[in-house]
Amino acid sequence: AQKITQTQPGMFVQEKEAVTLDCTYDTSDQSYGLFWYKQPSSGEMIFLIYQGSYDEQNATEGRYSLNFQKARKSANLVISASQLGDSAMYFCAMRVTYGNNRLAFGKGNQVVVIP
Amino acid sequence: DTEVTQTPKHLVMGMTNKKSLKCEQHMGHRAMYWYKQKAKKPPELMFVYSYEKLSINESVPSRFSPECPNSSLLNLHLHALQPEDSALYLCASSQDWVGPNNEQFFGPGTRLTVL
Repeated sequence: AQKITQTQPGMFVQEKEAVTLDCTYDTSDQSYGLFWYKQPSSGEMIFLIYQGSYDEQNATEGRYSLNFQKARKSANLVISASQLGDSAMYFCAMRVTYGNNRLAFGKGNQVVVIP
Repeated sequence: DTEVTQTPKHLVMGMTNKKSLKCEQHMGHRAMYWYKQKAKKPPELMFVYSYEKLSINESVPSRFSPECPNSSLLNLHLHALQPEDSALYLCASSQDWVGPNNEQFFGPGTRLTVL
């Protein structure tokens, strides 16, 4: 079964600074996808970025980039130039391509951006 | 249109009430999901519908009854709930249940309180 680990405690980030959220995963499957979601206090889970296990380049979406290190089984999210609206819980998730199709979530990282 | 809508946003119900949660998407997605999320925890999968048929029931108590009337709609019928069922209920959809790149798009959720 897949396992996602997010161990950082709650983080305070200065506005306009970059922040890195750690995520490690464990799977024996070769084909899988990694996802990051943002959940503000309003509750909606917002899809941020996706990285496929066979993608050679790190995924980027605007201010979000995913630092994918396959050999280390890590998929860290980097948010550049933090904004107050980035304050939220961030979940790393993983899904194998074939077989158990469930989306496995980590426990989440709480980020608070301060002015 | 990349939106999943859910109604109602908030729901308070007694343990003897019957109520329903509704979810709708118009992205042409063939898979739809119900998740339950407790505070400060990741979402927990409850049900998966694929092509309007129930594919996964994660041993959810029968007081929760899902229904997929058509490919765009997903309901969750609630009856005789317990206070511990109070949570945020999230609906999600994805292009397919199986295969690669199936990022799930979530709705804003329904905050349920059972008295």
